[in-house]
Amino acid sequence: EVQLLESGGGLVQPGGSLRLSCAASGFTFSSYAMSWVRQAPGKGLEWVSAISGSGGSTYYADSVKGRFTISRDNSKNTLYLQMNSLRAEDTAVYYCAKSWEIWTIAARPYDYWGQGTLVTVSS
Amino acid sequence: EIVLTQSPGTLSLSPGERATLSCRASQSVSSSYLAWYQQKPGQAPRLLIYGASSRATGIPDRFSGSGSGTDFTLTISRLEPEDFAVYYCQQYGSSHPALTFGGGTKVEIK
Repeated sequence: EVQLLESGGGLVQPGGSLRLSCAASGFTFSSYAMSWVRQAPGKGLEWVSAISGSGGSTYYADSVKGRFTISRDNSKNTLYLQMNSLRAEDTAVYYCAKSWEIWTIAARPYDYWGQGTLVTVSS
Repeated sequence: EIVLTQSPGTLSLSPGERATLSCRASQSVSSSYLAWYQQKPGQAPRLLIYGASSRATGIPDRFSGSGSGTDFTLTISRLEPEDFAVYYCQQYGSSHPALTFGGGTKVEIK
């Protein structure tokens, strides 16, 4: 059974940093691109970042480019999102999501999502 | 960048009724690379439909998708109590992994 379990969310002041983790199980983690998608309170879904299965290719939304860094440790089956210079508008539930198709970083639907972790940026 | 516009914003229906949700793209979606997700309060989204009309694993056949080009539809033939939720369409297929979501349609109990 595929499972994605996020952690690391919490309350942080503007300008602060936070690192999210997503522990994966039930599939060959290194074979799939992974993404982070966020949802501000009461709002829709926003793609944030993606990383290839090997970790060699990374992509970011313009809204987080230069502030967030996605990475993965395939030996630990874990995905990360390092978030620096946080702003109030980064407040959201952050989901990790697994690409539906093996061996590609191309845009594909997400067939599994984690339960989400809430990040609140406020003084 | 393709923009997805969903309508209506809210749909008020009773259990047993038919729900018809629309997703319109600002440009043609190649190869019908259009997916639909369901999201219930406090839960992550769940993939319902991919390729505009193919049901994902375990999705009941009361859910169906149709359309091509710029106009797509999600139909729920007879609403069950567990179907009241928010539904999002999503365009994919680009070599770049960024995914575009529509703004969502909330299906609420009338």
